[in-house]
Amino acid sequence: SYVLTQPPWVSVAPGQTARITCGGDNIRRKSVHWYKQRPGQAPVLVVYDDSDRPSDIPERFSGSNSGNTATLTITRVEAGDEADYYCQVWDSSTDHRFFGGGTKLTVL
Amino acid sequence: QVQLVESGGNVVQPGGSLRLSCAASGFTFSSHSLHWVRQAPGRGLEWVAVISDDGRNQYYADFVQGRFTISRDNSQNTLFLQMSSLRADDTAVFYCAREHSRGFYFDLWGQGTLVTVSS
Repeated sequence: SYVLTQPPWVSVAPGQTARITCGGDNIRRKSVHWYKQRPGQAPVLVVYDDSDRPSDIPERFSGSNSGNTATLTITRVEAGDEADYYCQVWDSSTDHRFFGGGTKLTVL
Repeated sequence: QVQLVESGGNVVQPGGSLRLSCAASGFTFSSHSLHWVRQAPGRGLEWVAVISDDGRNQYYADFVQGRFTISRDNSQNTLFLQMSSLRADDTAVFYCAREHSRGFYFDLWGQGTLVTVSS
């Protein structure tokens, strides 16, 4: 089993930068993917392979991965960014996938 | 239209069984591994199982403990999850999700189907 640790909550004012972390043992060796989920809706991929963005995701969303922590960064935060965010990895030794516990982003 | 549509969710008694389906359209179904991911009420996402594009390989989360079987019918573009010995803590929205053909991430999700295990 591979454990991914996220902060339960992150709060940020509109126009500021939000950083959501995802901790895991030597996570830098893994590709980390990020999903956004609004209440009552299915998750949506926002960042894949640590730092790549699907074509329909704004450039305000970016990712990084180093050491034991991966980070999703959202610049110029908007009200519509308020959601739960999940990190996810693939464990090559088991072929299992793992999610972090999720972070609720609140836009003040 | 590229989409996944789940069905089969219902209320079932503890110890009971249920079969979920996920109908795919708008893409080459047989080119992608497919997954089930669940979300208990008010909780986070939890990976359940994966099946390879040709259906030959399946892997399950540890909590499944032999109770669930993932399968697919590539001729009908449909994914299944057969669940048995259901417990109250299996209550969740079950999502099917498509894995990208070149990476271990989910690039398409269904809207989910609710499974409630209760007497």
